[in-house]
Amino acid sequence: SYVLTQPPSVSVAPGQTAKITCGASNIGSNSVHWYQQTPGQAPVLVIYYDSERPSGIPERFSGSNSGNTATLTITRVEAGDEADYYCQVWHGSSDHVVFGGGTKLTVL
Amino acid sequence: QVQLVESGGGLVRPGGSLRLSCETSGFIFSDYHMSWIRQAPGMGLEWVSSIKSSGTTVYYADSVKGRFTISRDNAKSSLYLQMNSLRHEDRAVYYCVRAAGSGSYDYWGQGALVTVSS
Repeated sequence: SYVLTQPPSVSVAPGQTAKITCGASNIGSNSVHWYQQTPGQAPVLVIYYDSERPSGIPERFSGSNSGNTATLTITRVEAGDEADYYCQVWHGSSDHVVFGGGTKLTVL
Repeated sequence: QVQLVESGGGLVRPGGSLRLSCETSGFIFSDYHMSWIRQAPGMGLEWVSSIKSSGTTVYYADSVKGRFTISRDNAKSSLYLQMNSLRHEDRAVYYCVRAAGSGSYDYWGQGALVTVSS
């Protein structure tokens, strides 16, 4: 099965840049999507097609995907960005949707 | 505006059955693939099942294949998940989600809690 590996936690000070990675074999050949989930709420799509932002998502959120790693970058981090973040791909070989295990972003 | 509203969650004994429904509005339901995604308490997101817009093609996670059945009624703009032979590990919040053309999920319901306990 195809496994997406995320760090369990990332910590960053307000105003700094947070980078959350999503690793898998040749993930660069897949389209990666990212979701933000705050406690008690449904996830929200923040990045699709590796680096596209849905309407309403701040420009501070960006994404990249190459080789074996996809990365969600949040610049000028704010307290409101504290949440769990998940990466997701469609794995065509197995016809399965795959989520990463999630990364808890803590704003210090 | 797009709305997805799940119903049918609740408490069921191991081995029992439950049917989740998702009523949608605000978009042309028959144009979109749909999925169910679940989240166990304190855990991450887990894809459960997907169905194409026409309803003719379905996909299942290995953990539910043979026990769960996804279906849709395009005339009623509704999505369903029939869950049989429920296990303790099926306990989760089940989200009804709309698949965007990119393969991402752009709209999520508020979730329906399924508890499996004796």
